Amino acid sequence: GQQLNQSPQSMFIQEGEDVSMNCTSSSIFNTWLWYKQDPGEGPVLLIALYKAGELTSNGRLTAQFGITRKDSFLNISASIPSDVGIYFCAGQLLTSGTYKYIFGTGTRLKVLA
Amino acid sequence: DTEVTQTPKHLVMGMTNKKSLKCEQHMGHRAMYWYKQKAKKPPELMFVYSYEKLSINESVPSRFSPECPNSSLLNLHLHALQPEDSALYLCASSQGTGGFYEQYFGPGTRLTVT
Repeated sequence: GQQLNQSPQSMFIQEGEDVSMNCTSSSIFNTWLWYKQDPGEGPVLLIALYKAGELTSNGRLTAQFGITRKDSFLNISASIPSDVGIYFCAGQLLTSGTYKYIFGTGTRLKVLA
Repeated sequence: DTEVTQTPKHLVMGMTNKKSLKCEQHMGHRAMYWYKQKAKKPPELMFVYSYEKLSINESVPSRFSPECPNSSLLNLHLHALQPEDSALYLCASSQGTGGFYEQYFGPGTRLTVT
């Protein structure tokens, strides 16, 4: 199925460092969602974005809806060990008259204490 | 409350078995989804129900049969599965499907086909 390009694929960082990841596509999206998934669990919604250029925060997390509507960014400030997991972006687009979410390939984050 | 529940949490079944996965939400959402997720991959959409009617079937084999008995419940009936169908099956719900809706996931059912 369709997937969004998400980068980086994985990253190892020191506790306290800031983290950035992004999703890009050639398609235009009307909504972006960012999720975190722990092993064996379902994705947990972190942030939702609805307007081009929108910047939204949730605690140490900040996400932006790209101005071209083709990309989105997630930043995590002052990372802590519990930030470990896989982060997925999901973009909503209209295809064949139906809205559905397309997921990014994921960024695997490991935090070194 | 943004909870989607799924049962069972784990399921092991043989290729000749018939089993069902269940999903429930009480957020008043009118759209429900089934996704399949293989290890280290993103969720892949299987089915979408909107107002209890099937609106999307992503060319899923007929050995997977979805059912939406009411707006709060979603089932996935399994029959004659193959070992490659082993995966995490995720249910999700959203307020609608018309755009600009957040989607919430359940914890998933880990399915192993032997």
